Amino acid sequence: NAGVTQTPKFRVLKTGQSMTLLCAQDMNHEYMYWYRQDPGMGLRLIHYSVGEGTTAKGEVPDGYNVSRLKKQNFLLGLESAAPSQTSVYFCASSYGTGGEYFGPGTRLLVL
Amino acid sequence: GENVGLHLPTLSVQEGDNSIINCAYSNSASDYFIWYKQESGKGPQFIIDIRSNMDKRQGQRVTVLLNKTVKHLSLQIAATQPGDSAVYFCALCWVQGAQKLVFGQGTRLTINP
Repeated sequence: NAGVTQTPKFRVLKTGQSMTLLCAQDMNHEYMYWYRQDPGMGLRLIHYSVGEGTTAKGEVPDGYNVSRLKKQNFLLGLESAAPSQTSVYFCASSYGTGGEYFGPGTRLLVL
Repeated sequence: GENVGLHLPTLSVQEGDNSIINCAYSNSASDYFIWYKQESGKGPQFIIDIRSNMDKRQGQRVTVLLNKTVKHLSLQIAATQPGDSAVYFCALCWVQGAQKLVFGQGTRLTINP
């Protein structure tokens, strides 16, 4: 199993550009999550999904949108990137209880 | 509200010694607590969890202790090895319709040869 994979690994955007981060998991997990991690801070939940076709807001959802059209994929979109969205983004998945399995992260730099 | 903090941002130990990483929290309603390990350039990796109705749980070379009276959680790593060098996060977990985690800031563990 590949576990949780994320693409791209690294991206540079200009302010106002848009992009989509892709997360895929092959563990048949119902729950998927998007976090951001900033220097000196723990992970903060952006959005999450409890199943195919569902999404919900987390702690810091502003400026992001998500979609879960397929159970194995969870997409994170930035419609108009801002420098404050420079961060490392982690996707995770789980059965709903117990630990979450994290992807390797996507480093995003917004100039 | 949810608040997870760590006593020390960094911890240095000698190889072979035991390491103890601490975590304080303020919210008593968590269903369970999780410890994660994050190596440089990688995503967090699940280490061990403990349910809120337990006070101790052991894994391979790791033990988690939970003291709900003082709202304190600790991770003990026995016979610390160079591969244990990482940032360790504690996280509070609620399961109400959906599992949600709140992470602490992390403790960086460095191993001295």
